[in-house]
Amino acid sequence: KQEVTQIPAALSVPEGENLVLNCSFTDSAIYNLQWFRQDPGKGLTSLLLIQSSQREQTSGRLNASLDKSSGRSTLYIAASQPGDSATYLCAVAHLGQLTFGSGTQLTVLP
Amino acid sequence: GAVVSQHPSWVICKSGTSVKIECRSLDFQATTMFWYRQFPKQSLMLMATSNEGSKATYEQGVEKDKFLINHASLTLSTLTVTSAHPEDSSFYICSAPLFVNEQFFGPGTRLTVL
Repeated sequence: KQEVTQIPAALSVPEGENLVLNCSFTDSAIYNLQWFRQDPGKGLTSLLLIQSSQREQTSGRLNASLDKSSGRSTLYIAASQPGDSATYLCAVAHLGQLTFGSGTQLTVLP
Repeated sequence: GAVVSQHPSWVICKSGTSVKIECRSLDFQATTMFWYRQFPKQSLMLMATSNEGSKATYEQGVEKDKFLINHASLTLSTLTVTSAHPEDSSFYICSAPLFVNEQFFGPGTRLTVL
């Protein structure tokens, strides 16, 4: 059974800092990995999706990498802003289903 | 494109009543939809897979008689929480795949059972 772990569980950084969120998964037989953002009490916003054949994806200040063989992904956020404060979830897809990590709660201090 | 809506966005009900939550794919058809539950400070857990024209598939530990799922059309799935109790209070999110292995999520429904 696929298990997805995210560390750290919570992270607080000053505005402007670059940061890395980590995601690991136990079964490397995935179709893709996706990073989401969730604001308190809200649904999910898809940030980046990396297909299993890809190594990374970039969108603006966000860069996500995937090392399928080692079961790891990172989400890099450059020049963090208070508006980036949210919970970040990673999820891996296999056979049409998603397995989510427990998330990293990010707080960017002004 | 690929917009999924949910209704209602929040609901408060008394213990013992039933609550229906709708999930719609607005601009695409979905033969399959997924229902997730998220408790505070926890991640999303898949409850069941809704299949148009056939019975839903429930994850282990999810009571199918309590959480009734009906996939009435290619754009609508409903989740009914029957005889709701306070422990059913949670955030319920649905999703629908547009492409294989890429799901689009609804905004979620906050259920509070008093």
